[in-house]
Amino acid sequence: DAGVTQSPTHLIKTRGQHVTLRCSPISGHKSVSWYQQVLGQGPQFIFQYYEKEERGRGNFPDRFSARQFPNYSSELNVNALLLGDSALYLCASSLEPSRLYNEQFFGPGTRLTVL
Amino acid sequence: ILNVEQSPQSLHVQEGDSTNFTCSFPSSNFYALHWYRWETAKSPEALFVMTLNGDEKKKGRISATLNTKEGYSYLYIKGSQPEDSATYLCAFRNTDKLIFGTGTRLQVFP
Repeated sequence: DAGVTQSPTHLIKTRGQHVTLRCSPISGHKSVSWYQQVLGQGPQFIFQYYEKEERGRGNFPDRFSARQFPNYSSELNVNALLLGDSALYLCASSLEPSRLYNEQFFGPGTRLTVL
Repeated sequence: ILNVEQSPQSLHVQEGDSTNFTCSFPSSNFYALHWYRWETAKSPEALFVMTLNGDEKKKGRISATLNTKEGYSYLYIKGSQPEDSATYLCAFRNTDKLIFGTGTRLQVFP
């Protein structure tokens, strides 16, 4: 079975541009979460989607948005890129957020560099 | 602000040594504590999900304990091997989101 997949692997953008990152969850998983990992820190929660609805949002500006499609894949969009948005963006999929043993499985991430 | 702290930040051990790391987390509104193993250029790999105070989990040479009342978890590696070299992350689950520590970077030398 395929794990969580993310595309692209690497991306270079300039300040002010827009970026779209994509994630496909494990088959059968209905929840997708997005995390940002800046060098030297742990991953920071950005969004969680379940059954195509936003279930949670971290402390990120409105430039960050996401959506989940009927096939449970997800996109993370970032507008008006800043240098500080350079990071590894991780996607995690899980069965159902409210389950006690809800294990989140991570993809390999997309490395975004903003110049 | 919910804070998860891990110590030490990094660790260098010889092959065969046993080692342990600490994860401290808020003791209120506890849902679960997750441990991940993250090798460079790979996806974080789930090791354990722990929910009950006093929980002990084991996978091969790696084991973990949980104390929700005082807000800490220990991860132990017995007889470290070079392939154990990775960053070990703990994450406190608060409702639906994971709050990660900064990780412990382990390097095992042959």
